[in-house]
Amino acid sequence: NAGVTQTPKFQVLKTGQSMTLQCAQDMNHNSMYWYRQDPGMGLRLIYYSASEGTTDKGEVPNGYNVSRLNKREFSLRLESAAPSQTSVYFCASSWTSSDTGELFFGEGSRLTVL
Amino acid sequence: AQSVTQPDIHITVSEGASLELRCNYSYGATPYLFWYVQSPGQGLQLLLKYFSGDTLVQGIKGFEAEFKRSQSSFNLRKPSVHWSDAAEYFCAVGAPTNAGKSTFGDGTTLTVKP
Repeated sequence: NAGVTQTPKFQVLKTGQSMTLQCAQDMNHNSMYWYRQDPGMGLRLIYYSASEGTTDKGEVPNGYNVSRLNKREFSLRLESAAPSQTSVYFCASSWTSSDTGELFFGEGSRLTVL
Repeated sequence: AQSVTQPDIHITVSEGASLELRCNYSYGATPYLFWYVQSPGQGLQLLLKYFSGDTLVQGIKGFEAEFKRSQSSFNLRKPSVHWSDAAEYFCAVGAPTNAGKSTFGDGTTLTVKP
């Protein structure tokens, strides 16, 4: 049971570099999400995709872009990384965005921007 | 706007002792409420959830939580803590129309003393 898989698990970037975090789920969920987790700040929603073909901004979207490649995959792109984007990033999925809302999380991707 | 407050950043209990983690929420109507647990280096896992009905809900690993509308609280409890319960715990609130866009508290770190 893979569930939600994120790659890479660790990444170090220099300021201004770009990268893409990949996320895939094998539970046939319709909705997918990207959160960032910072010490003492809980999880904050960056972007979400309620269904294949749609994406919407969350609480902290600036500096990020997303692509819902298909029902399984939802990627997060940093076009020009900044030190403020040093964080742990979590991908999550749920059956839909308007039902019971239980989220299934990946193990996280730890990103450091120097 | 919905919000969640976890007043305790860090709690230490002895193994075998009882545990209560506090959660207060702000939401205009009946919310969807969740408790998640995050073990070190892992993603978040759902412990339990409340949508309606019985205000005392049972979850996995022997945890329970009680929804108290008058106090806007959803505290997590366990009668006897095990060393393996050491982790970070997050309370989250979601709106019924978009429960997937949950708002998370800042988390409570639980340390278990032998």
